[in-house]
Amino acid sequence: GQQLNQSPQSMFIQEGEDVSMNCTSSSIFNTWLWYKQDPGEGPVLLIALYKAGELTSNGRLTAQFGITRKDSFLNISASIPSDVGIYFCAGQLAGAQKLVFGQGTRLTINP
Amino acid sequence: EAQVTQNPRYLITVTGKKLTVTCSQNMNHEYMSWYRQDPGLGLRQIYYSMNVEVTDKGDVPEGYKVSRKEKRNFPLILESPSPNQTSLYFCASSPGAGSYTGELFFGEGSRLTVL
Repeated sequence: GQQLNQSPQSMFIQEGEDVSMNCTSSSIFNTWLWYKQDPGEGPVLLIALYKAGELTSNGRLTAQFGITRKDSFLNISASIPSDVGIYFCAGQLAGAQKLVFGQGTRLTINP
Repeated sequence: EAQVTQNPRYLITVTGKKLTVTCSQNMNHEYMSWYRQDPGLGLRQIYYSMNVEVTDKGDVPEGYKVSRKEKRNFPLILESPSPNQTSLYFCASSPGAGSYTGELFFGEGSRLTVL
């Protein structure tokens, strides 16, 4: 199936630092989404992007839909302990009724 | 409260013993889907359903069956489980299959171990 390459696979940072992660693909996507999974729970949608070039914020989170439609990034500013978890990017191909997920970025924060 | 409910949350079973993981959503969503999560592989889709009696294979359907007899329920059936089906399973739903946006609501997960 389709593959999304998400990086980095893991991050160890200090509280207060900014975080950046990204996803790339060889395919063109119509929609990019970012989900967060807290320990022991299911993923929860953070941000959805529907247009190439779109830049969207949700509190301290900012995500962009790459202009080529083959990539997306997520930034977290001034990280706090509750940001710990696994972040997944996901893309929807044109006409497809399904998402392709990245491998996930595991974020660990040292207080 | 709007939610997707999976049962059981944890299960240890043996090879070949049929099992069913139930999934129910109370949001009247048309679209439902099953994923498995494995380390380093992210979430991979097993099966999905656009509406009642409409199901289709995802990326990793081998060894699994599903049914959608009612809008709210979408059980995942493992007819003869094998150790390579040991995984964390998630059910998810989305409002409109006809206008699918990728905005999924996930259950809390079912951790399955096959010995």
